[in-house]
This record gives sequence, C-alpha cells and structure tokens, in this order.
Amino acid sequence: SQQGEEDPQALSIQEGENATMNCSYKTSINNLQWYRQNSGRGLVHLILIRSNEREKHSGRLRVTLDTSKKSSSLLITASRAADTASYFCATDQQGGSEKLVFGKGMKLTVNP
Amino acid sequence: GAGVSQSPRYKVTKRGQDVALRCDPISGHVSLYWYRQALGQGPEFLTYFNYEAQQDKSGLPNDRFSAERPEGSISTLTIQRTEQRDSAMYRCASSLGWGTGTDTQYFGPGTRLTVL
Repeated sequence: SQQGEEDPQALSIQEGENATMNCSYKTSINNLQWYRQNSGRGLVHLILIRSNEREKHSGRLRVTLDTSKKSSSLLITASRAADTASYFCATDQQGGSEKLVFGKGMKLTVNP
Repeated sequence: GAGVSQSPRYKVTKRGQDVALRCDPISGHVSLYWYRQALGQGPEFLTYFNYEAQQDKSGLPNDRFSAERPEGSISTLTIQRTEQRDSAMYRCASSLGWGTGTDTQYFGPGTRLTVL
C-alpha cells in the first residue's frame, strides 16, 4: 500500500518560476526521500531528510519536514525545462524494515 | 563505480512462461531492494536483502514470485507461470546498508516486463 500522497498531482509552470510540491504520510518515519523520474527513465534520488531535521537544501532544492503534521514539501527554485518530470516522495517507516513506501507521484511541467 | 544495472531492460513473454530478472547493485552496497511500478503509480516494495539474507519479502504478491541473492551481490527476481497482471516495470535499488534513517537507495533503470 502507498503511504505518501503528493499534492498537487500535476503542476504546470513557466521557466524561472518556483515549484512547490507537498507530501503527506500516515505513520512515523525515520526519513523521507524525494525522487525524480523523467519520462521513460529511471528514478533519480534528489534529497533525504531525517526525522530529526526540519529543513535541508541542495542546490535549487529546498525540502522541509514537519513530523507533527506528517508532511513534507519540496521547493524547486528558478525552474528549468529540464526539471519537467514526475516527483515522488518516499518514506522509511519507523519500526519496519528498510523498505521505502512511495506516493503516487506528481507531474511537473516547466514550459520554456 | 557504476550505478545499479538491471537486465534485460525489456522482456516480452507469453502467459505461463517463467522469467528471471537480474540486478547488479553498486559495488560494496550491502542492501538490495526490489520494487514494482505500474504505469502512473509510485514503486511498490517487493522484497529486500542484506548481504545474502532475505530480510523482508512481505511485498511479494504470491508464491509465483521469488528472489535470491546467493553471494550477497547480484540478485535475481523470478516470476513463475507469468500472468498478464504481472506486466509492470520492475526496479532494483541498492544502499550502503549503514542503518535505518541514514540510507539513500539508488535505483537501476528497471526491467519493463510485458506478459502477452
């Protein structure tokens, strides 16, 4: 079963704008990871945030985690056409095995 | 070294045939995971190994599915008597295996299985 729910399910923006994607989950976690999947290609790891962290940055990416609300957000600043992809959040649940539980994904389209 | 590799990249088979999908993890990675991804969905966990030991197989849908990693490196996912509903992208991932809360899973390109 899938735990994460990305919101919105689809987002279309212009190049240069910022894109924000949200993820909600149901159970306590050890960490939350964001992945990108380009059309027809593999899953690329973007960033991992641990349950005791609140915010993390990597280049144009900013991730926040609110464990009290069981939610995370991924912000992509100054978006580029190459950011067009599906984005997934995945959680590593506390007390379970080290499997990742993925959401259904969110489709981001960045128009040039 | 190189990333996670999987073979074949595409497999078309007839209903009732057995298939074997191979995963070669990143060198030195202790943990290896198998996921299945339907079109328009996120990956769903099937099973995982630490070294050669299968730690969790709770995601395997039924007893037609099995996996092994006999020498703690390459892994094979086998589907016996394939059915059309088995058609999906099968993804393998590996991680260093340092422990809960710290591990990034790196995914291979996947094997697209089509059962006719």
